[in-house]
Amino acid sequence: GAVVSQHPSWVICKSGTSVKIECRSLDFQATTMFWYRQFPKQSLMLMATSNEGSKATYEQGVEKDKFLINHASLTLSTLTVTSAHPEDSSFYICRGLRGYTEAFFGQGTRLTVV
Amino acid sequence: ILNVEQSPQSLHVQEGDSTNFTCSFPSSNFYALHWYRWETAKSPEALFVMTLNGDEKKKGRISATLNTKEGYSYLYIKGSQPEDSATYLCAFIRSNTGKLIFGQGTTLQVKP
Repeated sequence: GAVVSQHPSWVICKSGTSVKIECRSLDFQATTMFWYRQFPKQSLMLMATSNEGSKATYEQGVEKDKFLINHASLTLSTLTVTSAHPEDSSFYICRGLRGYTEAFFGQGTRLTVV
Repeated sequence: ILNVEQSPQSLHVQEGDSTNFTCSFPSSNFYALHWYRWETAKSPEALFVMTLNGDEKKKGRISATLNTKEGYSYLYIKGSQPEDSATYLCAFIRSNTGKLIFGQGTTLQVKP
């Protein structure tokens, strides 16, 4: 299958700093990128959907000013957690859509805010 | 509120045992059900996409069935091997949203 490379795989940051997570589709053009978050023992929850060249659409309850999503090219989407706080500690994972129906996950990023 | 429930949460079996787990989802406005296999530190890998009531799909020793009227899908693994150890996720797509709604997953540990 196609590859979505997500970096970093884990990151520890201080409270109040910002963290950027990148997802690159290595061998296909991802017209749409989905970003999910998973808290311990819970399911993957969709945070936002981004289309290349457009503003992201955020799910209810997700602060768009806190979780900045950029999808400037068909092969790169980024999620920036701004002014991170301990409650933002979670597992974040992207999923890139190829065409209309096929999608591929990144490997995920474990964020710990201390 | 939409809920996708998977059971059991975790499962430990011996090599060679066959096993199965359940995914329950809302039976209204069904569009599709996805099964994923997720090994630690790797990307979730798509196993099956199921769309029709009564669908049965098979990939090697792994198979899945779908009942959209009662809202459940079973995943079966025949003759489990240690390399089958992973978390198995199901995800439901409702017809009017197009969005995947995930269950919490079933974590399978196969002991040699």
